[in-house]
Formats: sequence, C-alpha cells, structure tokens
Amino acid sequence: AQTVTQSQPEMSVQEAETVTLSCTYDTSENNYYLFWYKQPPSRQMILVIRQEAYKQQNATENRFSVNFQKAAKSFSLKISDSQLGDTAMYFCAFRAQGAQKLVFGQGTRLTINP
Amino acid sequence: EAGVAQSPRYKIIEKRQSVAFWCNPISGHATLYWYQQILGQGPKLLIQFQNNGVVDDSQLPKDRFSAERLKGVDSTLKIQPAKLEDSAVYLCASSEQGSNTEAFFGQGTRLTVV
Repeated sequence: AQTVTQSQPEMSVQEAETVTLSCTYDTSENNYYLFWYKQPPSRQMILVIRQEAYKQQNATENRFSVNFQKAAKSFSLKISDSQLGDTAMYFCAFRAQGAQKLVFGQGTRLTINP
Repeated sequence: EAGVAQSPRYKIIEKRQSVAFWCNPISGHATLYWYQQILGQGPKLLIQFQNNGVVDDSQLPKDRFSAERLKGVDSTLKIQPAKLEDSAVYLCASSEQGSNTEAFFGQGTRLTVV
C-alpha cells in the first residue's frame, strides 16, 4: 500500500518570502503521479500542481514549483513570492498509474503573515 | 463549467441517528469519490465509483455506511447509526477516467455528531 507523509504540521512565513513544503511517499510502483492540493478555509480542495513520475523535469505553475526526487521518494512544493491568499492547508497526494485512488498526506497548515 | 455540488454544507445530529449526504459530480465525469476528512487529518477514501459500479470500498465501514450512485451520475452517502467518531467533513470529488486526470472536489459537508 502507498503512504504519503508530510512532516511539517504547520509553517508560517512573511508575505513575499519563499517557502518549501515537504512530502515523502512510499511505493513499489514505478509509474505514478504526484499532486499538491490547496484547501482554504472554504474547504474546497484545489489542485496546485502535478508531476508525472516518468518526467525528469520538475513541474512549475507560475509561483509554484516542485522538487521531485524519485530515488529519494521526495516531492516538495516551493512557493515563491508568497501572498496572503496562499494561506491554507496543503496536501500532497499520490496516485499509481492505472489506479484512480488518490492517497493523501496529513497536510501542512501554511500561514502567510502580512 | 459547474463544479461538484454537495449538500448540505453543515449537519448536526445526535449519535445513533441517521444522515445522508448528496453529491452531483461534474457532467461527464465517470469517476466519483467520497472522502472522509477528520479535523487535522488528510482526506481518507471511503468509496470510489466508476460510472455506477464500485471500484474501491475497502475503507468504508459497511456496518454503518452505505453509498450508491444511481444511473452513474448523482451519489448519496448514508450513515446509520452515526457515532461520535463520524464527526468529520465528507468530501465528494469527481474526475474523468484516467490516472493523470485531475480530481475536482466539492466544498464538503461538515458533520457534527453530538
């Protein structure tokens, strides 16, 4: 079974700073997909960024980028020039190829301070 | 494009009562998920449908939880009888078929069992 671990329950940074959220996972699969979801107080999960395991290039979406280390089974999220609206819970998630079940980590509560 | 709709948004019931949640996925999405998110934790998959068939219900407490997806569209999740530990947010999500597809989430139903 796959497991996803987020070791930082809470993080807090000042607006405009860069912050990195950690995620590690355990799987015996070779092909899979990794996701970062954002959950603001409204509770609606929003996809931030995704990474295909077969791609060596790290995914980027505007201010959001990932550092994917397949051998280390690590998938961290970097938020550059953080904004107040980035305040939310962030969840790392895993999905094996051929499966559709998303396995989530425990989440990291990120607070951006003015 | 309309998103995933869930109702109600909030529900308070006494233990041993029954409760039902409703979900309307994005039109055309074959896959529908119900997740349970206990406060401070990541979402845990309860059941996954592909059209109107169950793909994964391994973590559904079948002695008290049931779910159906009639005609492969809307879905209901029922708890009978409820326990205090069922207090959580129940998230519904849908996606197109495929491992790389994005799962879109509703705003969830917050259930409080007293």
